[in-house]
Amino acid sequence: DSGVTQTPKHLITATGQRVTLRCSPRSGDLSVYWYQQSLDQGLQFLIQYYNGEERAKGNILERFSAQQFPDLHSELNLSSLELGDSALYFCASSQPLLTEGQETQYFGPGTRLLVL
Amino acid sequence: GQQLNQSPQSMFIQEGEDVSMNCTSSSIFNTWLWYKQDPGEGPVLLIALYKAGELTSNGRLTAQFGITRKDSFLNISASIPSDVGIYFCAGQAGSQGNLIFGKGTKLSVKP
Repeated sequence: DSGVTQTPKHLITATGQRVTLRCSPRSGDLSVYWYQQSLDQGLQFLIQYYNGEERAKGNILERFSAQQFPDLHSELNLSSLELGDSALYFCASSQPLLTEGQETQYFGPGTRLLVL
Repeated sequence: GQQLNQSPQSMFIQEGEDVSMNCTSSSIFNTWLWYKQDPGEGPVLLIALYKAGELTSNGRLTAQFGITRKDSFLNISASIPSDVGIYFCAGQAGSQGNLIFGKGTKLSVKP
Protein backbone atom coordinates (compact mmCIF):
# COMPACT_ATOMS: atom_id res chain seq x y z
CA ASP A 1 0.00 0.00 0.00
CA SER A 2 1.62 3.23 -1.21
CA GLY A 3 -0.55 5.45 0.98
CA VAL A 4 -2.02 7.20 -2.06
CA THR A 5 -5.74 6.63 -2.47
CA GLN A 6 -7.87 7.07 -5.55
CA THR A 7 -11.59 6.87 -6.11
CA PRO A 8 -13.48 5.49 -7.84
CA LYS A 9 -11.68 2.28 -8.78
CA HIS A 10 -13.78 1.83 -11.92
CA LEU A 11 -15.89 4.25 -13.92
CA ILE A 12 -18.09 3.51 -16.91
CA THR A 13 -19.69 6.38 -18.75
CA ALA A 14 -20.87 7.50 -22.16
CA THR A 15 -19.32 9.74 -24.77
CA GLY A 16 -19.93 13.41 -24.15
CA GLN A 17 -20.20 13.01 -20.41
CA ARG A 18 -18.08 14.54 -17.66
CA VAL A 19 -16.41 12.68 -14.79
CA THR A 20 -14.32 13.58 -11.77
CA LEU A 21 -11.52 11.43 -10.44
CA ARG A 22 -10.28 11.94 -6.91
CA CYS A 23 -6.87 11.45 -5.34
CA SER A 24 -5.61 11.76 -1.78
CA PRO A 25 -1.83 11.97 -1.48
CA ARG A 26 0.31 10.31 1.18
CA SER A 27 0.38 12.11 4.48
CA GLY A 28 2.86 14.98 4.29
CA ASP A 29 3.22 14.94 0.51
CA LEU A 30 2.59 18.31 -1.12
CA SER A 31 2.93 17.35 -4.77
CA VAL A 32 0.29 15.47 -6.74
CA TYR A 33 0.84 14.24 -10.28
CA TRP A 34 -1.72 12.84 -12.70
CA TYR A 35 -0.81 10.26 -15.34
CA GLN A 36 -2.78 8.51 -18.04
CA GLN A 37 -1.97 4.95 -19.05
CA SER A 38 -3.29 3.61 -22.31
CA LEU A 39 -2.25 0.58 -24.31
CA ASP A 40 -0.86 2.55 -27.21
CA GLN A 41 0.70 5.52 -25.39
CA GLY A 42 1.93 3.93 -22.18
CA LEU A 43 2.21 6.09 -19.05
CA GLN A 44 1.94 9.76 -19.91
CA PHE A 45 2.25 12.70 -17.55
CA LEU A 46 -0.77 15.01 -17.51
CA ILE A 47 -0.34 17.65 -14.83
CA GLN A 48 1.32 18.39 -11.49
CA TYR A 49 0.13 20.41 -8.50
CA TYR A 50 2.29 21.51 -5.63
CA ASN A 51 0.67 22.79 -2.47
CA GLY A 52 -2.44 23.93 -4.32
CA GLU A 53 -0.72 25.54 -7.28
CA GLU A 54 -0.31 24.16 -10.77
CA ARG A 55 3.37 23.42 -11.26
CA ALA A 56 3.81 21.61 -14.55
CA LYS A 57 1.69 20.56 -17.49
CA GLY A 58 2.25 17.63 -19.78
CA ASN A 59 0.12 16.11 -22.49
CA ILE A 60 -3.16 17.20 -20.98
CA LEU A 61 -6.07 17.91 -23.28
CA GLU A 62 -8.02 21.15 -22.97
CA ARG A 63 -11.09 19.07 -22.11
CA PHE A 64 -9.27 17.93 -18.99
CA SER A 65 -8.59 20.03 -15.92
CA ALA A 66 -7.39 19.45 -12.39
CA GLN A 67 -7.14 21.20 -9.08
CA GLN A 68 -5.62 20.63 -5.68
CA PHE A 69 -7.57 21.65 -2.61
CA PRO A 70 -6.34 23.12 0.70
CA ASP A 71 -6.39 19.67 2.30
CA LEU A 72 -4.07 18.62 -0.58
CA HIS A 73 -6.42 16.14 -2.20
CA SER A 74 -6.71 16.57 -5.94
CA GLU A 75 -9.39 16.09 -8.53
CA LEU A 76 -9.03 15.45 -12.25
CA ASN A 77 -12.00 16.53 -14.30
CA LEU A 78 -12.54 14.97 -17.72
CA SER A 79 -15.26 16.49 -19.89
CA SER A 80 -16.79 15.90 -23.33
CA LEU A 81 -15.49 12.38 -23.05
CA GLU A 82 -14.49 10.46 -26.15
CA LEU A 83 -13.93 6.76 -26.72
CA GLY A 84 -10.19 7.38 -26.82
CA ASP A 85 -10.22 8.71 -23.27
CA SER A 86 -10.73 5.18 -22.00
CA ALA A 87 -7.61 4.45 -19.97
CA LEU A 88 -6.18 3.98 -16.51
CA TYR A 89 -5.66 7.25 -14.67
CA PHE A 90 -3.11 7.31 -11.89
CA CYS A 91 -2.17 9.92 -9.42
CA ALA A 92 1.15 9.96 -7.64
CA SER A 93 2.44 12.02 -4.76
CA SER A 94 5.87 13.03 -3.58
CA GLN A 95 7.45 14.68 -0.60
CA PRO A 96 8.14 18.40 -0.38
CA LEU A 97 10.73 19.52 -2.85
CA LEU A 98 14.17 18.95 -1.41
CA THR A 99 16.00 18.85 -4.70
CA GLU A 100 14.21 20.02 -7.80
CA GLY A 101 13.87 17.27 -10.34
CA GLN A 102 14.53 14.54 -7.78
CA GLU A 103 11.21 13.61 -6.32
CA THR A 104 10.39 10.01 -5.59
CA GLN A 105 6.80 9.47 -6.63
CA TYR A 106 4.43 6.93 -5.10
CA PHE A 107 1.46 5.86 -7.17
CA GLY A 108 -2.13 5.21 -6.23
CA PRO A 109 -4.06 2.15 -7.42
CA GLY A 110 -5.62 4.04 -10.32
CA THR A 111 -9.07 4.65 -11.76
CA ARG A 112 -10.06 2.60 -14.77
CA LEU A 113 -12.24 4.72 -17.05
CA LEU A 114 -14.31 3.13 -19.78
CA VAL A 115 -16.11 5.42 -22.19
CA LEU A 116 -18.82 3.71 -24.22
CA GLY B 1 9.73 15.23 -26.55
CA GLN B 2 12.01 13.14 -24.38
CA GLN B 3 11.69 9.40 -24.78
CA LEU B 4 13.02 6.39 -22.98
CA ASN B 5 13.89 3.24 -24.84
CA GLN B 6 13.34 0.24 -22.62
CA SER B 7 14.41 -3.25 -23.57
CA PRO B 8 13.64 -5.99 -23.88
CA GLN B 9 9.92 -5.58 -24.46
CA SER B 10 9.24 -8.99 -22.93
CA MET B 11 11.10 -11.87 -21.34
CA PHE B 12 10.20 -15.48 -20.70
CA ILE B 13 12.52 -17.10 -18.19
CA GLN B 14 12.80 -20.12 -15.97
CA GLU B 15 12.44 -19.77 -12.23
CA GLY B 16 15.86 -19.27 -10.67
CA GLU B 17 17.36 -17.46 -13.65
CA ASP B 18 18.76 -13.95 -13.47
CA VAL B 19 17.11 -11.14 -15.43
CA SER B 20 18.49 -7.93 -16.85
CA MET B 21 16.64 -5.04 -18.45
CA ASN B 22 17.71 -1.54 -19.35
CA CYS B 23 16.64 1.91 -20.39
CA THR B 24 18.40 4.46 -22.52
CA SER B 25 17.64 8.07 -23.26
CA SER B 26 18.84 10.62 -25.75
CA SER B 27 18.96 13.23 -23.01
CA ILE B 28 20.32 13.48 -19.48
CA PHE B 29 18.25 12.59 -16.45
CA ASN B 30 18.68 13.64 -12.81
CA THR B 31 16.85 10.66 -11.41
CA TRP B 32 16.13 7.13 -12.53
CA LEU B 33 13.33 5.15 -10.94
CA TRP B 34 12.27 1.55 -11.46
CA TYR B 35 8.66 0.48 -10.91
CA LYS B 36 6.79 -2.81 -11.11
CA GLN B 37 3.15 -2.93 -12.13
CA ASP B 38 0.80 -5.85 -11.65
CA PRO B 39 -2.39 -6.09 -13.75
CA GLY B 40 -5.02 -3.58 -12.65
CA GLU B 41 -2.71 -2.03 -10.05
CA GLY B 42 -0.62 1.09 -9.80
CA PRO B 43 3.15 1.10 -10.35
CA VAL B 44 5.05 0.17 -7.21
CA LEU B 45 8.42 1.79 -6.62
CA LEU B 46 11.29 -0.70 -6.53
CA ILE B 47 14.46 1.38 -6.62
CA ALA B 48 15.29 5.09 -6.88
CA LEU B 49 18.67 6.33 -8.18
CA TYR B 50 19.85 9.91 -7.74
CA LYS B 51 23.53 10.05 -8.71
CA ALA B 52 25.44 9.08 -11.83
CA GLY B 53 27.23 5.80 -11.21
CA GLU B 54 25.06 4.94 -8.22
CA LEU B 55 24.46 1.22 -7.71
CA THR B 56 21.58 0.35 -5.40
CA SER B 57 20.14 -2.95 -4.25
CA ASN B 58 16.76 -3.90 -2.85
CA GLY B 59 16.79 -7.58 -1.97
CA ARG B 60 17.29 -9.54 -5.17
CA LEU B 61 17.01 -6.37 -7.25
CA THR B 62 19.98 -4.24 -8.25
CA ALA B 63 19.85 -1.10 -10.35
CA GLN B 64 22.47 1.32 -11.59
CA PHE B 65 22.39 4.94 -12.74
CA GLY B 66 24.64 5.13 -15.79
CA ILE B 67 27.73 7.32 -15.73
CA THR B 68 26.54 9.26 -18.77
CA ARG B 69 23.19 9.89 -16.97
CA LYS B 70 21.47 8.63 -20.10
CA ASP B 71 20.88 5.05 -19.10
CA SER B 72 20.00 2.69 -16.29
CA PHE B 73 19.68 -1.04 -15.82
CA LEU B 74 17.78 -3.30 -13.46
CA ASN B 75 18.89 -6.81 -12.58
CA ILE B 76 16.80 -9.42 -10.79
CA SER B 77 18.68 -12.38 -9.42
CA ALA B 78 17.27 -15.87 -8.83
CA SER B 79 13.82 -15.03 -10.20
CA ILE B 80 10.70 -16.43 -8.54
CA PRO B 81 7.12 -16.69 -9.83
CA SER B 82 5.99 -13.56 -7.96
CA ASP B 83 8.46 -11.51 -10.01
CA VAL B 84 5.97 -11.75 -12.88
CA GLY B 85 4.72 -8.36 -13.97
CA ILE B 86 5.62 -5.33 -16.03
CA TYR B 87 8.72 -3.40 -15.06
CA PHE B 88 8.99 0.26 -15.97
CA CYS B 89 11.92 2.59 -15.91
CA ALA B 90 11.20 6.26 -15.40
CA GLY B 91 13.37 9.34 -15.42
CA GLN B 92 13.24 12.93 -14.28
CA ALA B 93 15.03 15.64 -16.22
CA GLY B 94 16.01 19.20 -15.42
CA SER B 95 13.97 20.85 -12.69
CA GLN B 96 10.78 19.12 -13.72
CA GLY B 97 9.42 16.60 -11.28
CA ASN B 98 7.22 14.76 -13.75
CA LEU B 99 8.32 11.29 -14.80
CA ILE B 100 9.01 10.11 -18.31
CA PHE B 101 8.32 6.40 -18.59
CA GLY B 102 9.70 3.63 -20.72
CA LYS B 103 7.25 1.31 -22.48
CA GLY B 104 7.87 -1.46 -19.97
CA THR B 105 9.37 -4.95 -19.89
CA LYS B 106 6.87 -7.75 -19.40
CA LEU B 107 8.42 -10.53 -17.35
CA SER B 108 7.06 -14.06 -17.34
CA VAL B 109 8.58 -16.67 -15.02
CA LYS B 110 8.08 -20.37 -15.64
CA PRO B 111 8.09 -22.45 -12.44
